[in-house]
Order: sequence, then structure tokens, then C-alpha cells
Amino acid sequence: DAGVTQSPTHLIKTRGQHVTLRCSPISGHKSVSWYQQVLGQGPQFIFQYYEKEERGRGNFPDRFSARQFPNYSSELNVNALLLGDSALYLCASSIAGTGIYEQYFGPGTRLTVT
Amino acid sequence: ILNVEQSPQSLHVQEGDSTNFTCSFPSSNFYALHWYRWETAKSPEALFVMTLNGDEKKKGRISATLNTKEGYSYLYIKGSQPEDSATYLCAFLGNDYKLSFGAGTTVTVRA
Repeated sequence: DAGVTQSPTHLIKTRGQHVTLRCSPISGHKSVSWYQQVLGQGPQFIFQYYEKEERGRGNFPDRFSARQFPNYSSELNVNALLLGDSALYLCASSIAGTGIYEQYFGPGTRLTVT
Repeated sequence: ILNVEQSPQSLHVQEGDSTNFTCSFPSSNFYALHWYRWETAKSPEALFVMTLNGDEKKKGRISATLNTKEGYSYLYIKGSQPEDSATYLCAFLGNDYKLSFGAGTTVTVRA
């Protein structure tokens, strides 16, 4: 079975640009969560989607948005990129949205903003 | 922002030795506590999800305990092997369903 996949693997953008990151969950998983991880810190929660509805949002500005599609894949969009948005963006899927089920992480997208 | 703290930040263990480290989290609004192992160049891998005070979980040589009343969890590695070298992350889930991760404990096992 395929695990969680993310694309692209690496991305370089300049300040002010927009970026879209994509995630495909494990088949049968209906919940997708997005995290931002910077060196020396644990992953920071950005969004959770369950059954195409936003279930939770972390402490991130409105420049960050996401959505989940009918096939449960998801996109994370970041507008007006700042240097501080440079990070590893992780996507994780789980069977349900309650958080009592383990999350399966993708390999991440490394975003560099110059 | 929830305060999830892990200590120590890093530790070195001789192959064959056992070790343990701590995750501290808020003792209120507890819903679940997750543990993940993150090896270099790989994705974080789930170890345990713990929900009940006094819970003990075990997977091979790795085990974890949970005390929700005082807000801590211990992860134990028995007879450490080089393949146990990784960063171990804990994550607190409150009743808002948002996972808050600690910064991790990086374990290096020396052969």
C-alpha cells in the first residue's frame, strides 16, 4: 500500500510569491493535517481537515489556507511568502479526525524562500 | 500556545544500555498523548497513542507510560541498538483536537 505522498519534494520561491503544496493520504484515511517544522523545533500544527471540512486551525496568519478534495487529497496554499516561511511542511493522514488515531506522515516538502 | 516540553534535548547511549526520557504537558483538557520516532531522512513514524491515565504501551524494546494527572509521560528504550538512533517526539492533544508537539529528544546510540 502506498503511504502518504507529498509534492513537490523541494521548492524555492522568492518573497511575495505564492506556493501550493499537495498531499495524498493513505487510501481509506479521511483526515489530513498540515504541519510546519523549522530546525530545532517540533512540528507546528497548521490545519486539520476531516471529510472535506476544516476541523482545526493553528496559530498561523490568514496567508495560510488549505482545502480537502472529494478524494481526501489536500492542498496547502501560502500567499505573500516571507523569509520566515522557509521550513519543512509535513502532511499527515489518519483514519478519523478525533486525534486518538495515530497519524501517518509524508516525506514533507522543503520550502525555501529567498 | 500549549507548553509541551521534552527532556533532555539530546542524549548519547552506549549500545546495549537502557535509557528513558520525559515529555511534560498540560494536565488539563487532556485528550491523548502521541509518541513518534523520526529518523534522519525519513518521515515521523507513530509509536504510541495513549489516552488513559496509567496507560502503559509497549512495542518491542520501546515502552511508554502516561500520567495525565501530573502531566508527564516517559519513553523507555531497553537494550539500545544503533537503529534506535532518532529524534523522539511527543505530542499533546487537547479537547480542541489540535496536536501540539514538543521539540523532541534526539537519541544517539554508540556502538
